[in-house]
Amino acid sequence: KQEVTQIPAALSVPEGENLVLNCSFTDSAIYNLQWFRQDPGKGLTSLLLIQSSQREQTSGRLNASLDKSSGRSTLYIAASQPGDSATYLCAVLGGAGSYQLTFGKGTKLSVIP
Amino acid sequence: EPEVTQTPSHQVTQMGQEVILRCVPISNHLYFYWYRQILGQKVEFLVSFYNNEISEKSEIFDDQFSVERPDGSNFTLKIRSTKLEDSAMYFCASIPGLAGGPRAYNEQFFGPGTRLTVL
Repeated sequence: KQEVTQIPAALSVPEGENLVLNCSFTDSAIYNLQWFRQDPGKGLTSLLLIQSSQREQTSGRLNASLDKSSGRSTLYIAASQPGDSATYLCAVLGGAGSYQLTFGKGTKLSVIP
Repeated sequence: EPEVTQTPSHQVTQMGQEVILRCVPISNHLYFYWYRQILGQKVEFLVSFYNNEISEKSEIFDDQFSVERPDGSNFTLKIRSTKLEDSAMYFCASIPGLAGGPRAYNEQFFGPGTRLTVL
């Protein structure tokens, strides 16, 4: 059964700092990996999708990398802003022949002005 | 920009009552999903649906749950007899599927969720 772990569970940084969020998964036979943002009490906003054959994806100040063989992904946020404060979720599609997304518990990010 | 919509945004019900949560996926999408998130916990997969059939379901999706696409636009999740532990945020998601390439390569688009509270 696929398991996804995110470290750290919470992170507080001053505005302007660069930061890295970590995600690991147990079954490397994934099809893709998605990073989401979730604001309190709200839905899931997709940030980046990395296919299993890709090493990284970039969108604006966000860069996500994928090392499928070691079961790891990182989300790099450059020049953090208070508006980046949210919970960031990592989810993988696949593992054990499944097409369901398996989510981590998330990293709660607070960017202090 | 097309988006997945869900109604109602918040549903309060008594234990043992039936509830129907509604979703309108993006119009040209072919695969539909339900996930749930109990407060403070991970988002969990419930079921996927394609071509008017369930294609995959989790252990959570027992006989109390059912899904239906009653017309060309709506996708519903029914819980027959709600329990206290069904209280959660329920998310609908969709992907283009075949029209957008193999489903393994598709980004899942999520709705804003329905908060279900069972009293």
